[in-house]
Amino acid sequence: DAKTTQPPSMDCAEGRAANLPCNHSTISGNEYVYWYRQIHSQGPQYIIHGLKNNETNEMASLIITEDRKSSTLILPHATLRDTAVYYCIVRAYNAGNMLTFGGGTRLMVKP
Amino acid sequence: DGGITQSPKYLFRKEGQNVTLSCEQNLNHDAMYWYRQDPGQGLRLIYYSQIVNDFQKGDIAEGYSVSREKKESFPLTVTSAQKNPTAFYLCASSIARTDYGYTFGSGTRLTVV
Repeated sequence: DAKTTQPPSMDCAEGRAANLPCNHSTISGNEYVYWYRQIHSQGPQYIIHGLKNNETNEMASLIITEDRKSSTLILPHATLRDTAVYYCIVRAYNAGNMLTFGGGTRLMVKP
Repeated sequence: DGGITQSPKYLFRKEGQNVTLSCEQNLNHDAMYWYRQDPGQGLRLIYYSQIVNDFQKGDIAEGYSVSREKKESFPLTVTSAQKNPTAFYLCASSIARTDYGYTFGSGTRLTVV
């Protein structure tokens, strides 16, 4: 699996958009980008994933650059409940289904 | 509702004792996984299983054992050989060989005293 790089922490004002970056410069053509988040002392929660097109669901939007070397997770209107550690992971779908979690970005949403 | 259940949520054991953590899923997922998380760290893969009666070691399998006798169940035993067993343990499941993501349990916090 390709290695990912994320900032260790970010702050965001409540109600504003939170933009979480992820670099994955060694990503292969068959590797997807996944985002999970983990609220303190709970299991990680799946947010969204994509291959090369931008994706949107009820939780977030995922913007993947044209060269696929980086991506951004967007929470359009952050709330206090979005405070969590956000993990960016890249993985080929047939790579034994194993996900490798790095340190993630600790997002703090402030009132 | 379908989901994945880990029990117990908190577990205390004396040093030198084996302990088994339960993980059950009713999602009809083929694959199941065990991760360990230490404070402030990411998740590290202990064992995974893609089908019944088969499992593979992850990155930190030493001192742990698993079984997969049923599709729904993937218990993890933390043995006395595990040097630093105190940690947060997370179980997950997924549909094998697709781009679907994981569903995680709520975790078991094991403290060895």
